[in-house]
Amino acid sequence: GIQVEQSPPDLILQEGANSTLRCNFSDSVNNLQWFHQNPWGQLINLFYIPSGTKQNGRLSATTVATERYSLLYISSSQTTDSGVYFCAVVSPRDAGGTSYGKLTFGQGTILTVHP
Amino acid sequence: DGGITQSPKYLFRKEGQNVTLSCEQNLNHDAMYWYRQDPGQGLRLIYYSQIVNDFQKGDIAEGYSVSREKKESFPLTVTSAQKNPTAFYLCASTRFGGAITEAFFGQGTRLTVV
Repeated sequence: GIQVEQSPPDLILQEGANSTLRCNFSDSVNNLQWFHQNPWGQLINLFYIPSGTKQNGRLSATTVATERYSLLYISSSQTTDSGVYFCAVVSPRDAGGTSYGKLTFGQGTILTVHP
Repeated sequence: DGGITQSPKYLFRKEGQNVTLSCEQNLNHDAMYWYRQDPGQGLRLIYYSQIVNDFQKGDIAEGYSVSREKKESFPLTVTSAQKNPTAFYLCASTRFGGAITEAFFGQGTRLTVV
């Protein structure tokens, strides 16, 4: 099946700093999503971005599907940005080529923002 | 507000017991999914359902069972056959089962074997 690798595994920042999180995937994808898992465990949708660039406030994301990677940018980080960031993809090759929306997750990037 | 509701938030199970985790959505989504998360790891798919009265095994289905009698509901039963059930369980839904659309998640249920 498709492999998803996220880097870095851990990231420690001072409040106000900028950061870039990376997601590499091993095959073509139909869907790519970025999530933030808060301290209570809930997965918050950040971006649905199978290709192109999107921005939402201090966060933006870019997916270059032909080169099999996606980047999540966090600018002017705040302590509330702390948590785990996951990249997840849907591959058209799962289930014998019939996609059923199964998300394959990376291991996540643990972000800690200090005041 | 539309969303996905999981209950209970915390669940304790004795050895040998079956327990059922609830997942309800009012988003009018066709497809629903159950994932399991172990500490420090990403999520893995247990079961999924694209339409009512149909469901399929995911990557780690052994020791689990599901039903999909209503569009809004997709309960997961963790049976005594599941050797290591302590984990965080997340339910998700997508609008269409046969096409690729954005997935949304519930708040999760933390299951502990005592």
